[in-house]
Amino acid sequence: TQLLEQSPQFLSIQEGENLTVYCNSSSVFSSLQWYRQEPGEGPVLLVTVVTGGEVKKLKRLTFQFGDARKDSSLHITAAQPGDTGLYLCAGEGGTYKYIFGTGTRLKVLA
Amino acid sequence: DAGVIQSPRHEVTEMGQEVTLRCKPISGHNSLFWYRQTMMRGLELLIYFNNNVPIDDSGMPEDRFSAKMPNASFSTLKIQPSEPRDSAVYFCASSMRYEQYFGPGTRLTVT
Repeated sequence: TQLLEQSPQFLSIQEGENLTVYCNSSSVFSSLQWYRQEPGEGPVLLVTVVTGGEVKKLKRLTFQFGDARKDSSLHITAAQPGDTGLYLCAGEGGTYKYIFGTGTRLKVLA
Repeated sequence: DAGVIQSPRHEVTEMGQEVTLRCKPISGHNSLFWYRQTMMRGLELLIYFNNNVPIDDSGMPEDRFSAKMPNASFSTLKIQPSEPRDSAVYFCASSMRYEQYFGPGTRLTVT
């Protein structure tokens, strides 16, 4: 069974701080995605990484795929209240079939 | 363009009743996914279709759950009979290759 563990589970920080969220597995994934979910809505795709060691940036968000394609990280610089939400990683466990991680619930205080 | 449409948005029903959740995927997408989300278990894949054909239903909890996709623009997830432990938010998502687009979800409460 492929599992994706995310850490930390919960994170509460002040506006302007930096943070890193981790997504780890013992399985190799051909690609990995990060989503953000706000209350009452479905997850929204932020990024897809497909190559080991790949780094992608989306404004203040930096995503990295591990060299062995078993883990990933999401770094947010100068967090803002609008970054508040549930962050989910998802690894491709079969053709177009993604397995979701346990989630990190982030709260950014103004 | 409209996103993934789900109905109803909220459903409250009594144990033993039949529940049908509906999904209209984004036009042109060839894959459709049904997920269930709870605090305890997170987001779980129940079943997914490719070109209207069920590909993997290994996540369907038991025989009380069934899903159909009669055409490219409509899918249903049915629970019969429903039980309190089925209470969750059910999401439908559609994709063309790697990018999944989720609907707003149906919050199901079984009393």
